[in-house]
Amino acid sequence: DADVTQTPRNRITKTGKRIMLECSQTKGHDRMYWYRQDPGLGLQLIYYSFDVKDINKGEISDGYSVSRQAQAKFSLSLESAIPNQTALYFCATSDGKVETQYFGPGTRLLVL
Amino acid sequence: LAKTTQPISMDSYEGQEVNITCSHNNIATNDYITWYQQFPSQGPRFIIQGYKTKVTNEVASLFIPADRKSSTLSLPRVSLSDTAVYYCLVAYSSASKIIFGSGTRLSIRP
Repeated sequence: DADVTQTPRNRITKTGKRIMLECSQTKGHDRMYWYRQDPGLGLQLIYYSFDVKDINKGEISDGYSVSRQAQAKFSLSLESAIPNQTALYFCATSDGKVETQYFGPGTRLLVL
Repeated sequence: LAKTTQPISMDSYEGQEVNITCSHNNIATNDYITWYQQFPSQGPRFIIQGYKTKVTNEVASLFIPADRKSSTLSLPRVSLSDTAVYYCLVAYSSASKIIFGSGTRLSIRP
């Protein structure tokens, strides 16, 4: 969905490096989410934010941090990347009324 | 403990109706059930959403029994392009959790 963009789309990094994945949305939604998807598996929630001042841990927040810079922007950071964080990362938004989520195209991350 | 369960995979043939069931224990009164479709290397895409009984749109139907502990996504007359992974999502307002099912890999054959 072009209303939700993620940068970069692909990233290769080395163990121990700090990296940031960015998400922007033009849908005007208050809620934003970061998910991780490992090959052949389902989606796991990392962090979510219901508004600019609200940040919540999801199922697998260890090793990750987030920043909600504005209603439209939600960044995910890996402070010290490790190989088992190699995965496809998705950002999503919702208006929170009935929890319909709109997903970005994903960022494919490879940690060597 | 909130949990969402789906079959791992299903196979069917073009032109058939496919029904995928999701089990969701402890669903609360105000929780909605949403189904998504995902193709490889793409983000999940909304298919249909419901609260109770039956909902129908141009691509699918969603059946939710009275106890709301499960839901069934129905895809009428599937085609090869319906080959994808299908996820159910329940927003558990009581636990402030958003739980995706593990996904059902649907394969459609000619």
